[in-house]
Amino acid sequence: KQEVTQIPAALSVPEGENLVLNCSFTDSAIYNLQWFRQDPGKGLTSLLLIQSSQREQTSGRLNASLDKSSGRSTLYIAASQPGDSATYLCAVGTGTASKLTFGTGTRLQVTL
Amino acid sequence: EAEVAQSPRYKITEKSQAVAFWCDPISGHATLYWYRQILGQGPELLVQFQDESVVDDSQLPKDRFSAERLKGVDSTLKIQPAELGDSAMYLCASSWGTGGNTYEQYFGPGTRLTVT
Repeated sequence: KQEVTQIPAALSVPEGENLVLNCSFTDSAIYNLQWFRQDPGKGLTSLLLIQSSQREQTSGRLNASLDKSSGRSTLYIAASQPGDSATYLCAVGTGTASKLTFGTGTRLQVTL
Repeated sequence: EAEVAQSPRYKITEKSQAVAFWCDPISGHATLYWYRQILGQGPELLVQFQDESVVDDSQLPKDRFSAERLKGVDSTLKIQPAELGDSAMYLCASSWGTGGNTYEQYFGPGTRLTVT
């Protein structure tokens, strides 16, 4: 059974800092990995999708990397802003139906 | 920009009552997912449809939960009877398809259920 772990569970940084969120998974036979953002009481917003054949994806100030062999992914956020404050969820797609297994998330707070 | 629609956004119900949630996926998306998210945890898949067929319902508590997608477009998730432990956010998502490694899931705003 796939298990996804996200570290740290919570993180507080001052505005402008670069930061890294970590995601690890137990079964390396994945189809893809997706990073989501969730604001309190809201649904999920997809940030980046990395296919199993890719090593990284970039969107604006966000960069996600994938190392299948070690079962790890990182989400790098450059020049953090207060608007980046949210919970970030990592989800791994496995099986022929690309079932997503989620981590418990990292709650990020960017302070002024 | 196309979005996944869900209703209601919030629902308060008493235990033992029936409750239903509705989801309208992005137009053209063949695959539809229902997730349950307990506060402080990641979403957990309840049921997955490919068109009108169920692909995975292994985590759906079938004694009280049911889901349908009759015409392969919108979907309804029902709970009867509701229990206190069902209080959670119910999220609907859709994607173009499954298989391979290219299908990105898009989520709706969710329905927050409180069972009293």
